[in-house]
Amino acid sequence: DAGITQSPRHKVTETGTPVTLRCHQTENHRYMYWYRQDPGHGLRLIHYSYGVKDTDKGEVSDGYSVSRSKTEDFLLTLESATSSQTSVYFCAISSLAGLTYNEQFFGPGTRLTVL
Amino acid sequence: AQSVSQHNHHVILSEAASLELGCNYSYGGTVNLFWYVQYPGQHLQLLLKYFSGDPLVKGIKGFEAEFIKSKFSFNLRKPSVQWSDTAEYFCAVKDGTDKLIFGTGTRLQVFP
Repeated sequence: DAGITQSPRHKVTETGTPVTLRCHQTENHRYMYWYRQDPGHGLRLIHYSYGVKDTDKGEVSDGYSVSRSKTEDFLLTLESATSSQTSVYFCAISSLAGLTYNEQFFGPGTRLTVL
Repeated sequence: AQSVSQHNHHVILSEAASLELGCNYSYGGTVNLFWYVQYPGQHLQLLLKYFSGDPLVKGIKGFEAEFIKSKFSFNLRKPSVQWSDTAEYFCAVKDGTDKLIFGTGTRLQVFP
């Protein structure tokens, strides 16, 4: 398995509180992604990063922000958590081999419950 | 916008039955195609991928998929399923961007 860890693995929080999820990789891959997985929706991209300090929005970015100050770490922040953000969050990484994009490797996931 | 459709939401099979899961995408240009599997309680793992060349792609655990460009399809097949194939299967497409677009997934249940 690719060297990807996510922390915390489980979190329960209350509406209105800030939450930060961390993704850490040991593969030195350029690209990092945050997804949320919800029944009936599959995986939806929240934000992604194509390099240190280079990030862009995905299809469900409202209410989320990200930061990447080092190659190995990609942080996802919920500024003020809402119940609709209860989900399983997956981090993924990928690399380029020349001009060829390689597949994404996924972390173990973080189960977040917002009460 | 690019979209991926998996029309089979829930499939129930007996062991040794054949499997075919549909995947259709909307992008008309060059694509990279993927099938991922998620076993209960686990993260997504790559089953197989298509970048170019032979449109019939073989993956792990006896799975294969066929890319049919004219039909915008990338269906997943396995001739004889096992109980251990019980999982959720996701099709994903990469177009000219740095992002993957995932289908909503197909839940497969295999009974002994």
